[in-house]
Amino acid sequence: NAGVTQTPKFQVLKTGQSMTLQCAQDMNHEYMSWYRQDPGMGLRLIHYSVGAGITDQGEVPNGYNVSRSTTEDFPLRLLSAAPSQTSVYFCASSTLTGTSYEQYFGPGTRLTVT
Amino acid sequence: ILNVEQSPQSLHVQEGDSTNFTCSFPSSNFYALHWYRWETAKSPEALFVMTLNGDEKKKGRISATLNTKEGYSYLYIKGSQPEDSATYLCAHSNAGNMLTFGGGTRLMVKP
Repeated sequence: NAGVTQTPKFQVLKTGQSMTLQCAQDMNHEYMSWYRQDPGMGLRLIHYSVGAGITDQGEVPNGYNVSRSTTEDFPLRLLSAAPSQTSVYFCASSTLTGTSYEQYFGPGTRLTVT
Repeated sequence: ILNVEQSPQSLHVQEGDSTNFTCSFPSSNFYALHWYRWETAKSPEALFVMTLNGDEKKKGRISATLNTKEGYSYLYIKGSQPEDSATYLCAHSNAGNMLTFGGGTRLMVKP
């Protein structure tokens, strides 16, 4: 299993540009999430999905869209990039293990918006 | 939005020292408490998931305890080694599997 994969690893955008961060998992996990990591703020949930066709907002959803057309893929779209979206983005998938969920994280995408 | 707080923010210890840090969380609507180890330039790696009050989990020299009634968890590292240097994150999850992370404790172990 490749686990959770993310592309690209690094990206530089200009303000106003759009792009999609890709996330895929091959573990048949039903839950997938996107987080952003900023210095001193830990990981903050952007959007999550509990299964194909179902998405919901997390703590900081503004400026981001997601879709979940398949179990494997959960892309994150930035519609009009802003400098405030400069961050490291982590995708995660999880499944029920016993009575709780264990999350597996991808390697991250470092995004800079100038 | 739940507040998950970790202390201290950073910690410097000598090799061989034992150390511990704290994660506090609201005790209402509790489902699970997660601990992650996060090395620089890598992705967070799950250490423990705890669900029951009084839970204690251990993995090698690292252990964790959970008190859901008062809303805290401790992570202990016995005999710290330089390879333990990392950021340790805790996260609270509700029944919907939404994780709320604390800001992390950055541990640096000096040889």
